[in-house]
Amino acid sequence: QVQLQESGPGLVKPSETLSLTCTVSGYSISSAYYWGWIRQPPGKGLEWIATIHHSGITYYNPSLKSRVTISVDTSRNQFSLNLNSVTAADTAVYFCVRDRAYITTDYWGQGTLVTVSS
Amino acid sequence: QSALTQPPSASGSPGQSVTISCTGTSSDVGGYNYVSWYQQHPGKAPKLMIYEVTKRPSGVPDRFSGSKSGNTASLTVSGLQADDEADYYCASYAGDKGVFGGGTKLTVL
Repeated sequence: QVQLQESGPGLVKPSETLSLTCTVSGYSISSAYYWGWIRQPPGKGLEWIATIHHSGITYYNPSLKSRVTISVDTSRNQFSLNLNSVTAADTAVYFCVRDRAYITTDYWGQGTLVTVSS
Repeated sequence: QSALTQPPSASGSPGQSVTISCTGTSSDVGGYNYVSWYQQHPGKAPKLMIYEVTKRPSGVPDRFSGSKSGNTASLTVSGLQADDEADYYCASYAGDKGVFGGGTKLTVL
């Protein structure tokens, strides 16, 4: 059974960097598929952030591209998200996901709330 | 503002059918057969219900079906049940990126 689990700070100060890690169990991320991040501000809709192929190829939301980095650590079966220069608008629940391809996200983590506040 | 347009709400009585629309452009919904639909109950992660416009993952009831015409995709839920009450989001591949709709709150009356 594929499982994804987000981890990272729940509180980040404005202008600092938000860093999250997703640990995958039940499947080797180096085998296939894409791995990504999607966020949801409180009470609002979903926003696609970024996706990385198991080969390392990356795809970013153009509106966030200048601030986002997604990376993969196959030795730990993890992938990570860094979002710099955060503001209150980045406050959201962040989900890590497995993407079969073309925004077909079949496995989701439970989500982690990250609040940007001083 | 979301890239794809969904009605904010929809409703139906148990046993009835309801259809939720998702309108994009020729750069996303209309340009690719890669539209997916997600169901989200409060406090939970979204669940994939439909992918590649019409396909259902294993375990999703055949009461859920998808279609597309031009730049508009649709999700139809037949035989409404109480547990179908949730938020529904469409998503589309848009050439090296993904875009979501703003979500539709489905109420079972």
